[in-house]
Amino acid sequence: QLQLQESGPGLVKPSETLSLACTVSGVSLTSSNSYWAWIRQPPGKGLEHIGTISYTGTTYYRPSLKSRATISLDTSRNQFTLKLNSVTAADTAVYYCAYGLPGGQWTDYWGQGTLVTVSS
Amino acid sequence: QTVVTQEPSLTVSPGGTVTLTCASSTGAVTSDYYPNWFQQKPGQAPRALIYSTINKHSRTPARFSGSLLGGKAALTLSGVQPEDEADYYCALYYGGPWVFGGGTKLTVL
Repeated sequence: QLQLQESGPGLVKPSETLSLACTVSGVSLTSSNSYWAWIRQPPGKGLEHIGTISYTGTTYYRPSLKSRATISLDTSRNQFTLKLNSVTAADTAVYYCAYGLPGGQWTDYWGQGTLVTVSS
Repeated sequence: QTVVTQEPSLTVSPGGTVTLTCASSTGAVTSDYYPNWFQQKPGQAPRALIYSTINKHSRTPARFSGSLLGGKAALTLSGVQPEDEADYYCALYYGGPWVFGGGTKLTVL
């Protein structure tokens, strides 16, 4: 049974770094043709793609976040992580991790989401 | 900055048919944008419905269908059920990053 689960602090101070992990069970992060993404949703607003990392470690980022975001694979824990530095209140959102396949296919395997609030 | 536009809200009667659309600020949407559609209900994670324009996931009800219509991606619900009331998001691929539309709030009334 493939499952994704986000984890990390629910509260981050302004100007600090937001760090989240997505633990994947049921499939290896390095399985051929797998893609792993972070998507966020500010309260009461729509979805926003942050970035994607492929099974080879190639990354793609939303242009407006590219300078602040880093997504990486931790194969020893079968996790992929998100670091977003210099956060502001505008980064307050529910953060989801998700699993994709080639051919533009986002699967139905998403984490349940974790709320991160940026506040002093 | 690329913008993906959806109808903010639509209302449909139970049993009726409704089409939601997804437009790109860069021009006509084609299959090369691999349109995906998601349904989200309050307090829940998005649920994937359609990928690569027309393909359904295994749990997608038959009444949902995807297509290209007039230069946009489209999601059609035929025989709408009360449980279809939700927010619907499209996502388009731009050669690396994906961009989500702002979402359509579908009311079944």
